[in-house]
Amino acid sequence: AQTVTQSQPEMSVQEAETVTLSCTYDTSESDYYLFWYKQPPSRQMILVIRQEAYKQQNATENRFSVNFQKAAKSFSLKISDSQLGDAAMYFCAYRTINSGNTPLVFGKGTRLSVIA
Amino acid sequence: GAVVSQHPSRVICKSGTSVKIECRSLDFQATTMFWYRQFPKQSLMLMATSNEGSKATYEQGVEKDKFLINHASLTLSTLTVTSAHPEDSSFYICSARAPGHPNTEAFFGQGTRLTVV
Repeated sequence: AQTVTQSQPEMSVQEAETVTLSCTYDTSESDYYLFWYKQPPSRQMILVIRQEAYKQQNATENRFSVNFQKAAKSFSLKISDSQLGDAAMYFCAYRTINSGNTPLVFGKGTRLSVIA
Repeated sequence: GAVVSQHPSRVICKSGTSVKIECRSLDFQATTMFWYRQFPKQSLMLMATSNEGSKATYEQGVEKDKFLINHASLTLSTLTVTSAHPEDSSFYICSARAPGHPNTEAFFGQGTRLTVV
């Protein structure tokens, strides 16, 4: 079974600075999807960024980018120019590519605080 | 993006009563929906996979008679917490994946905070 590990329960960053959240995963599959979800205090899950494992290029969405290291099974999230609104729980998630019926496998999350 | 609506957002019920939570896909048909439970400051724990027109698949340790799931249409799945007790108090979230959606991401409902008193 696949597992996702987020080793940083809490992180903090100064406003306008850059922070990196780490995520590692374990799988025997060669093709899969990886996601970062944000859960603000409202608790609505919001997709931040996604990566297809077969793509070597790291995904980027505005201030959010990932460092995808397939061989190392690492999928870190970099937030640049951090804003107060970035404060939230961040979950790394994995999904097999084979079927639409498979759920996401989540890490335990990292709580990010942004200091003004 | 696709929209998933979950209702109610908050519910308080008395111990021993049953509570129904609805999860609707508003602009797409979802043959599969997922139900999660989230304890404070913890991750999402998958409870069950809801398949339209068939029985739900429950994760190990989740009581199927306690958490009844019905997915009677392509746009609606319901989770009924039967004979609720205070330990059932939690945050429940549903998600669905839009068939053919190019990004294969999951779309989440707003969640339901259940408090059993």
